[in-house]
Amino acid sequence: EVQLLESGGALAQPGGSLRLSCAGSGFTFNNYAMSWVRQAPGKGLEWVSAISGGGDSTYYADSVEGRFTISRDNSKNTLYLQMNSLRVEDTAVYYCAKEPYGAQGFFDYWGQGALVTVSS
Amino acid sequence: EIVLTQSPATLSVSPGERVILSCRASQSVSNKLAWYQKTPGQAPRLLIYDASSRATGVPARFSGSGSGTVFTLTISSLHSEDFGVYYCHQYDTWPRFGQGTKVEI
Repeated sequence: EVQLLESGGALAQPGGSLRLSCAGSGFTFNNYAMSWVRQAPGKGLEWVSAISGGGDSTYYADSVEGRFTISRDNSKNTLYLQMNSLRVEDTAVYYCAKEPYGAQGFFDYWGQGALVTVSS
Repeated sequence: EIVLTQSPATLSVSPGERVILSCRASQSVSNKLAWYQKTPGQAPRLLIYDASSRATGVPARFSGSGSGTVFTLTISSLHSEDFGVYYCHQYDTWPRFGQGTKVEI
């Protein structure tokens, strides 16, 4: 059974940093592209960042480019999102999401989410 | 930037009714469109990909259609567990989601 479990959500101050983790199990982790998608309170879904299975290609939404860094440790079956220079508008539930084999672009499995609150 | 517009914003229905949700893209996305169901406190669930392919384990009452810029998600007979917010997602270019349609009792 595919499982994705996020951790690291917390309260942070504007300008601060946080690192989210997503532990994957039930599939061959390094074969699959992964993404982070967020949902701000009362808002819809927003794609944040993606990384290829091998970790050599990364992609970012304009809203986080230069502030967030996606990475993965395939030996630990874990995906990361390093978030720096946090803004109030980064407050959201952050989901990690798995793409099907072949990086087809949609997301077949999602984690339960990690809440990030940015507030002074 | 491709914009997805979902309609209606909210749909009030009763169990057993047929439901049709719409998603329009500001430019063609071919068939690179997915639908997800989101209920409070739960992870999004993939229902449809490539506009009309049902994801594994999704009941046959869910169907998707369309191509280019106009897409629909149809629930043939609404079950109680089908209430929630439905999002369309285009992946022809940078991933974008629609703003969602809330299906409520």
